[in-house]
Amino acid sequence: DAKTTQPPSMDCAEGRAANLPCNHSTISGNEYVYWYRQIHSQGPQYIIHGLKNNETNEMASLIITEDRKSSTLILPHATLRDTAVYYCIVRVEAGGTSYGKLTFGQGTILTVHP
Amino acid sequence: DVKVTQSSRYLVKRTGEKVFLECVQDMDHENMFWYRQDPGLGLRLIYFSYDVKMKEKGDIPEGYSVSREKKERFSLILESASTNQTSMYLCASRLSFPGKAFFGQGTRLTVV
Repeated sequence: DAKTTQPPSMDCAEGRAANLPCNHSTISGNEYVYWYRQIHSQGPQYIIHGLKNNETNEMASLIITEDRKSSTLILPHATLRDTAVYYCIVRVEAGGTSYGKLTFGQGTILTVHP
Repeated sequence: DVKVTQSSRYLVKRTGEKVFLECVQDMDHENMFWYRQDPGLGLRLIYFSYDVKMKEKGDIPEGYSVSREKKERFSLILESASTNQTSMYLCASRLSFPGKAFFGQGTRLTVV
């Protein structure tokens, strides 16, 4: 699975959009981009995933560049409850023997301020 | 939504004890995982299972074993607990690819 690079920390004002970048320059054609977050003392929570196209759900939007070498997770209206560690993960989903395992990096600590 | 339940939230065990951490999921997922999380090291995969009685080593399997006798239950076993196994243990399950993984609330194990 491709390696990802995320900034160690970011700040955001409550009510503003939080834009979390992820670099995955070695991504291959069959690798998906996943985002999870972990609020303090809880297990990680799935946010969104995508392959090529931009994706949106009730939690966030995922913007993937055309060359797929980077992506941005957007929380449109951040709240204090969005303060968490955000993980960007890239993995192959078709074939192979990894059976869906997810390799977590260090992630980005997002702090939302009042 | 899927529920992944870990048997204990907090656990204190003595060095040398055999420890069982239990995880149950309620949505018929084929794939289940055990991670440990330590400050500065992030989440590291210990073992995973892709079917009943099937298992694969993750990145740090030493000192651990697993058991999956039924599809919904995946157990992590510390054969002889040591203080360096003090950690937060997280169980996850996942149905298919691509798909989201669901995590339990974690078990904070302290070995004294």
